[in-house]
Amino acid sequence: AQTVTQSQPEMSVQEAETVTLSCTYDTSESDYYLFWYKQPPSRQMILVIRQEAYKQQNATENRFSVNFQKAAKSFSLKISDSQLGDAAMYFCAYRVFNYGGSQGNLIFGKGTKLSVKP
Amino acid sequence: EADIYQTPRYLVIGTGKKITLECSQTMGHDKMYWYQQDPGMELHLIHYSYGVNSTEKGDLSSESTVSRIRTEHFPLTLESARPSHTSQYLCASSARNEKLFFGSGTQLSVL
Repeated sequence: AQTVTQSQPEMSVQEAETVTLSCTYDTSESDYYLFWYKQPPSRQMILVIRQEAYKQQNATENRFSVNFQKAAKSFSLKISDSQLGDAAMYFCAYRVFNYGGSQGNLIFGKGTKLSVKP
Repeated sequence: EADIYQTPRYLVIGTGKKITLECSQTMGHDKMYWYQQDPGMELHLIHYSYGVNSTEKGDLSSESTVSRIRTEHFPLTLESARPSHTSQYLCASSARNEKLFFGSGTQLSVL
């Protein structure tokens, strides 16, 4: 069974500094997607970044980038130049590439609460 | 503007009441989902739909039911709410590119 593990329940970063959130996953599949979602307090969950497993190049979205290590089954999120608005719960998620029943659905980690200090 | 809407945002009800949580999306997505999330915990899929008249149970067992009569609408119903149903319920939809779009959630409290 696929699992997603976020080993850091809480993280803290100084404004303008860089922080890395870790995520590991377990799967026997070779084709899959990985995601990082952000959920600000009492607000809508939004997609931060997405990575296709067949792509070796790490995904980047402005200040957000990932370090995808397929062999190690690791998918960390790096936030550069942290801003106060980055404070939120961050969820790592996995989805197998082939749709079909529950195997096509997202599996989430437990989340990491990120605090940004001014 | 295309979006996904959930109502109500907060709901406090007594045990035994029947409730329906509404979810609508204006993006024309075929796939829609309901997730349950307890504070500080991961999301668990409780229902999903791949199109009109298609509904399936998710990985987490739930006493709720869903319907998908129209593409844009995916309501979730609890026939008799109990305190154990207290949780946050998140609705989501996705297109072929796999990106999930989430609603703002409904925080349900059953007394």
